[in-house]
Amino acid sequence: EAQVTQNPRYLITVTGKKLTVTCSQNMNHEYMSWYRQDPGLGLRQIYYSMNVEVTDKGDVPEGYKVSRKEKRNFPLILESPSPNQTSLYFCASSLSRTLYEQYFGPGTRLTVT
Amino acid sequence: SQKIEQNSEALNIQEGKTATLTCNYTNYSPAYLQWYRQDPGRGPVFLLLIRENEKEKRKERLKVTFDTTLKQSLFHITASQPADSATYLCALGGDKIIFGKGTRLHILP
Repeated sequence: EAQVTQNPRYLITVTGKKLTVTCSQNMNHEYMSWYRQDPGLGLRQIYYSMNVEVTDKGDVPEGYKVSRKEKRNFPLILESPSPNQTSLYFCASSLSRTLYEQYFGPGTRLTVT
Repeated sequence: SQKIEQNSEALNIQEGKTATLTCNYTNYSPAYLQWYRQDPGRGPVFLLLIRENEKEKRKERLKVTFDTTLKQSLFHITASQPADSATYLCALGGDKIIFGKGTRLHILP
């Protein structure tokens, strides 16, 4: 089954404790992206990757890091999480950056206390 | 800066009627526009894509129009059903992808 998986689905952590949210897709997609979704603000892009070893900032990259060492994986790293990073995070993948639909993962609900 | 607006945060429609959702944008010239459906606690699911040179696209009970002069897209669900209740997101595509905040649609039985 074609899918995007994320882990963990739920995470409660404390300020400053480094964490990684994993994302994996099994569709051989070139394009992958991370979004955060907050009430009243909608979906905002954090980082995206057009292919292996190619990443770029989205609209809200501050406080996040990403890497793309393999085509299927695109982890999101929070080196020093802060409470304003409490949010619902979605990973998405697509055949390419433009003109194709994005497939979204199930989401990771992160709470930073 | 680019701005994308979807009409009303919530929309109530009687079952069987046509639901029409609006997506307006400014300061952007998208090459295409997409519509997604999102259920509570789940990731968005792609519904339709329409390109800038297309006026209308249909898929079963769904219809999307795209007017680049008005900078507006309309999303229609005909013969609406309670199962159509969800949040619907529009997304503009081009140099970057921008999502609207969504419209919560409630189909009343």
